[in-house]
Amino acid sequence: EAQVTQNPRYLITVTGKKLTVTCSQNMNHEYMSWYRQDPGLGLRQIYYSMNVEVTDKGDVPEGYKVSRKEKRNFPLILESPSPNQTSLYFCASSLTKNPYEQYFGPGTRLTVT
Amino acid sequence: KQEVTQIPAALSVPEGENLVLNCSFTDSAIYNLQWFRQDPGKGLTSLLLIQSSQREQTSGRLNASLDKSSGRSTLYIAASQPGDSATYLCAVVGQAGTALIFGKGTTLSVSS
Repeated sequence: EAQVTQNPRYLITVTGKKLTVTCSQNMNHEYMSWYRQDPGLGLRQIYYSMNVEVTDKGDVPEGYKVSRKEKRNFPLILESPSPNQTSLYFCASSLTKNPYEQYFGPGTRLTVT
Repeated sequence: KQEVTQIPAALSVPEGENLVLNCSFTDSAIYNLQWFRQDPGKGLTSLLLIQSSQREQTSGRLNASLDKSSGRSTLYIAASQPGDSATYLCAVVGQAGTALIFGKGTTLSVSS
């Protein structure tokens, strides 16, 4: 089954404790990205990657890191999480050719206390 | 900067009604437009994608139209059912391979 998977689905952590949220897709997509969803603000892009070893900032990259060492994986790293990073996070992927239909993972709900 | 607006923010209808959700965007230079469904606390399910050269797309009881020149898209849901209750999100891509810009969604409630 074609899908985007994320782990963990739920995470409660404390301020400053480094964490990684994994994202994997099995559709051989070149393009992958991370979004966060907050009440009243909607979905906003954090980082994206056009292909292996190619990453770039989205609209709200502060406090996050990413890497793209393999085509199928695009982990999101929070080196020193803070309470304002409490959010619902989504990973998405697509081909880099027409029509660029994006597929989303199930989401990771992160709470930072 | 591209902005996407969805009206209304919430909508309640009785089962069986046909309904229209609206989406508008400020920059008509879009690559494509996607409609998504999101159930509470869940991920996004892609419903329909309309490329900039297309006028509409249909899937089952759903029909999405696109008028690029006026910066508008509509999602038509025929014969609504309680299972259609969810938040519907509209998103546009300005250039190929870049971020989806989302509206804040319309939360639909269909009562039986």
